[in-house]
Amino acid sequence: EAGVAQSPRYKIIEKRQSVAFWCNPISGHATLYWYQQILGQGPKLLIQFQNNGVVDDSQLPKDRFSAERLKGVDSTLKIQPAKLEDSAVYLCASSLREGRGASGQFFGPGTRLTVL
Amino acid sequence: AQSVSQHNHHVILSEAASLELGCNYSYGGTVNLFWYVQYPGQHLQLLLKYFSGDPLVKGIKGFEAEFIKSKFSFNLRKPSVQWSDTAEYFCAVSSGTYKYIFGTGTRLKVLA
Repeated sequence: EAGVAQSPRYKIIEKRQSVAFWCNPISGHATLYWYQQILGQGPKLLIQFQNNGVVDDSQLPKDRFSAERLKGVDSTLKIQPAKLEDSAVYLCASSLREGRGASGQFFGPGTRLTVL
Repeated sequence: AQSVSQHNHHVILSEAASLELGCNYSYGGTVNLFWYVQYPGQHLQLLLKYFSGDPLVKGIKGFEAEFIKSKFSFNLRKPSVQWSDTAEYFCAVSSGTYKYIFGTGTRLKVLA
């Protein structure tokens, strides 16, 4: 079974530039998540999609971050403009089943973003 | 607000020692509880999960966790660790509204 794919794996940009990350979840997984993981911290949920609808984006800084999931499969996360504090690993995950008795998430390798 | 606390940030053990990592959460409703592990250079992966039933849950690689509702705890245990268990361990909680919250993680180093 193919896992969650993410690209790029690494990205270095200067502040105020824009950047986009791509994620392809496991086939058949309706739920897709984007997390931000700052060094020394646990993953923080940015946005959760169920098919192509947003379930939760309460922690997404909407003035600079945006995400979409067209056709309920692939997803992109964009930052525009980037700030120094956006330096982090951006993780994508997908799951088969949510709610009570959730199946658990499968994570991709992440994109390490460095903002200079 | 929901929160997840992992009290041990760094743990160093010798091989064959017993392991217990603490996890406490703050949410009064029905929750799903998870432990994830990240081995060096690898992705986060699910170790075990609990939703209902037997509060002692067994996962992969000999790990188990016990849910104690009265203490809002979901501690991870392993009777005898191996060098290959060196990794970072994350506790996570999702509520009925789907929101996932992760703890800050515990870095385990097992000395051969």
